[in-house]
Amino acid sequence: KAGVTQTPRYLIKTRGQQVTLSCSPISGHRSVSWYQQTPGQGLQFLFEYFSETQRNKGNFPGRFSGRQFSNSRSEMNVSTLELGDSALYLCASSPSRDSGELFFGEGSRLTVL
Amino acid sequence: AQTVTQSQPEMSVQEAETVTLSCTYDTSESDYYLFWYKQPPSRQMILVIRQEAYKQQNATENRFSVNFQKAAKSFSLKISDSQLGDAAMYFCAYRSARRAGNQFYFGTGTSLTVIP
Repeated sequence: KAGVTQTPRYLIKTRGQQVTLSCSPISGHRSVSWYQQTPGQGLQFLFEYFSETQRNKGNFPGRFSGRQFSNSRSEMNVSTLELGDSALYLCASSPSRDSGELFFGEGSRLTVL
Repeated sequence: AQTVTQSQPEMSVQEAETVTLSCTYDTSESDYYLFWYKQPPSRQMILVIRQEAYKQQNATENRFSVNFQKAAKSFSLKISDSQLGDAAMYFCAYRSARRAGNQFYFGTGTSLTVIP
């Protein structure tokens, strides 16, 4: 069974631009969560989607948004990029909202210049 | 809000030796799950071990075991017979058992180096 796939793996943007990251969960997994990973901060929860609805949201500004499609694939968008948005963005999928385990993708590394 | 603290940014261990990674957490909840995740360099994060708070018995997975002290809110990971492949960033994580959803709280990680 294929794992969690994230695209693109690497990207470079400039301040003020926007970016869209994509995540394809493991087949059959309906919950998709997004995390931002930065040195010294660890992983911080962005949001969780289940059945095309945002279920939980972390403490991030409204510039960070996401959505989930009927096939459980998810995208996250960051608008008006800032230097501080440079990070590894990790997507994780789970079979349900209560499975108690996250299966991570390799991440999308965003650099904002 | 729950917080997870890993006070050791870096650790090293000789191959075949034993190392313990520390983790403490803060919560007012009584039901929760604790995890250790491993993130090898440039590779995806994988689950190492999981502990349910209601279980008094410490979880073990082959060479990996935990020391779960609920009253002290401590959750350390012991790696026995360390191997070169154990070199990675290790993250301790917390998830509420009472709230639905996959919102995990992670520590800042411990970078483990294995010395041949």
